Amino acid sequence: GAVVSQHPSWVICKSGTSVKIECRSLDFQATTMFWYRQFPKQSLMLMATSNEGSKATYEQGVEKDKFLINHASLTLSTLTVTSAHPEDSSFYICSARAGQVEGNTEAFFGQGTRLTVV
Amino acid sequence: AQSVTQLDSQVPVFEEAPVELRCNYSSSVSVYLFWYVQYPNQGLQLLLKYLSGSTLVKGINGFEAEFNKSQTSFHLRKPSVHISDTAEYFCAVTTGRRALTFGSGTRLQVQP
Repeated sequence: GAVVSQHPSWVICKSGTSVKIECRSLDFQATTMFWYRQFPKQSLMLMATSNEGSKATYEQGVEKDKFLINHASLTLSTLTVTSAHPEDSSFYICSARAGQVEGNTEAFFGQGTRLTVV
Repeated sequence: AQSVTQLDSQVPVFEEAPVELRCNYSSSVSVYLFWYVQYPNQGLQLLLKYLSGSTLVKGINGFEAEFNKSQTSFHLRKPSVHISDTAEYFCAVTTGRRALTFGSGTRLQVQP
């Protein structure tokens, strides 16, 4: 299957600083990328959907000014957690989809980023 | 709106025994269904998917699932589990271009 690379796999940052997480589709062009957040022992919660070249669509309750998403190219999306606080500590996962071909909507997932804010 | 319910948060099972992880969904339109496995601190790996056609879907690692439209279910099965199958399993649904909606997950714990 297609490969999605997420970097870094883990990061520790000080409270008040910003952290950028990258999500790259290595062997396909991702027209749509999704960002999820996962708390310990819980499911994945969709944060936002981004289409290349346009503004991201955020889910209700997700602060767009805090979680900045950029999808400037067909192979790269970034999530920047601005002014991070300990409550932002979580596991962040991206997924990428090449597009809808005859109903095939499979999305490929990155390996996730463990963010710890101290 | 679409939703997914995974009825069991944890399923303990002995090695080489069969297992079934249950998944029910709710949607007013046709859906595509997926099962993913997640190992600790890792992303999700696709086990299998149902898009159309045969309702019995075979996936990787010996897993299979059956789509039952009348019961709105997509249960995951494996006839004989291994220790290495210990992981978190997520059922997910999408109606098309939208993102996947995930169930709450089922922790499969395989015991020797």
